[in-house]
Amino acid sequence: SYELTQPPSVSVSPGQTATITCSGDKLGEKYVCWYQQKAGQSPVAIIYQDNKRPSGIPERFSGSNSGNTATLTISGTQAMDEADYYCQAWDSRNGVFGGGTKLTVL
Amino acid sequence: EVQLVQSGAELKKPGESLKISCTGSGYIFTNYWIGWVRQMPGKGLEWMGIIYPGDSDTRYSPSFQGQVTISADKSISTAYLQWSSLEASDSALYYCARLPSGSGSYVDYWGQGTLVTVSS
Repeated sequence: SYELTQPPSVSVSPGQTATITCSGDKLGEKYVCWYQQKAGQSPVAIIYQDNKRPSGIPERFSGSNSGNTATLTISGTQAMDEADYYCQAWDSRNGVFGGGTKLTVL
Repeated sequence: EVQLVQSGAELKKPGESLKISCTGSGYIFTNYWIGWVRQMPGKGLEWMGIIYPGDSDTRYSPSFQGQVTISADKSISTAYLQWSSLEASDSALYYCARLPSGSGSYVDYWGQGTLVTVSS
């Protein structure tokens, strides 16, 4: 079955740029979306179709996808961005999530 | 306003059956997919399967095929996730989620989650 691999954790200082990767075989040929989940809350989509932001999502969140790696970039990271982040793609009409990355804003 | 409202927390014993629900409102229920996602305690999100209430087209992720049943009653805008015989390992938070049709779909609305606890 298809697998998506994310780093378990990423740390960033406030105001700096955070980068979270998501790797999978020929991932660049699939659409990738990203979800943010804060403690005790339901997830929220922050990027869909590789690089589109849903309404209401700040511009500091951006995405890209090429080759075997999709990347979520958070520019000017804020304390409120501390959360778990999950990438997700579709393989043979089945949804697949990455294992999740815990973003710590130090 | 789009809403997905899930049924309340459940405490069940191993071997018991269970059916949890997800009721959509504020949109045309039959025009969007409903997915189910599992989150075990302290763990990540796992995609279980999806259903299109318009025609009941249902797809299961390989890990959950044969383990659960996903269904929908479009007359009451409700989707279901059910187990015939629960195990302790089914203890988790279960989310329902709405997905638009089409390529590159994603979850644009999530339910609040239903906590299922299976314990003797």
